[in-house]
Amino acid sequence: QVTLKESGPGILQPSQTLSLTCTFSGFSLSTYGMGVGWIRQPSGKGLEWLANIWWDDDKYYNPSLKNRLTISKDTSNNQAFLKITNVDTADTATYYCARICPMDAWGQGASVTVSS
Amino acid sequence: DIVMTQTPSSQAVSAGEKVTMSCKSSQSLLYSENKKNYLAWYQQKPGQSPKLLISWASTRESGVPDRFIGSGSGTDFTLTISSVQAEDLAVYYCEQYYDTPYTFGAGTKLELK
Repeated sequence: QVTLKESGPGILQPSQTLSLTCTFSGFSLSTYGMGVGWIRQPSGKGLEWLANIWWDDDKYYNPSLKNRLTISKDTSNNQAFLKITNVDTADTATYYCARICPMDAWGQGASVTVSS
Repeated sequence: DIVMTQTPSSQAVSAGEKVTMSCKSSQSLLYSENKKNYLAWYQQKPGQSPKLLISWASTRESGVPDRFIGSGSGTDFTLTISSVQAEDLAVYYCEQYYDTPYTFGAGTKLELK
């Protein structure tokens, strides 16, 4: 059974760096073809793909976030990470990680609020 | 970026009705090498994470009721619910994973009539 769970700071201030962790089980990011993606959803709005990381450490980012994103992984501990620098109120959202592609298993989401 | 356009944005339905919703992409999602369409459908109920229903445009995920039917190819796709049940009231999103940035449609919300 594949499970994923996101964790994050909950609340942070504008200009800070958001650090998110995805802890998963039921698959390994060292296995050929496996990948984890990050997606976010502002309250009451749609879904926005942010970044992917693959078993071979290949990484893809949404260019709309203009180099603010860094995705990484810790294969030994079955974790993936996402950092977003210089956050502002527009980054307030629920952040999901999912196994890809397609996104066949999702975490429960981590709510992040950016507020001064 | 590939733009995904979903219609309608919302639809009021009664239990037992047949429902169809559309998803159009701004470029073809059909990969010529393997003849697969890189299109997925997700269901999101209030307060829950999205759930994958259909991948490769028409492949139903394990455990998804057979009333959910995905069809289409290239740039035009459809999700059909053959007989809507109360538990199907949700927002449905299509997503292309043909190319990054992966993009989602704005969603179709199924509501009770």
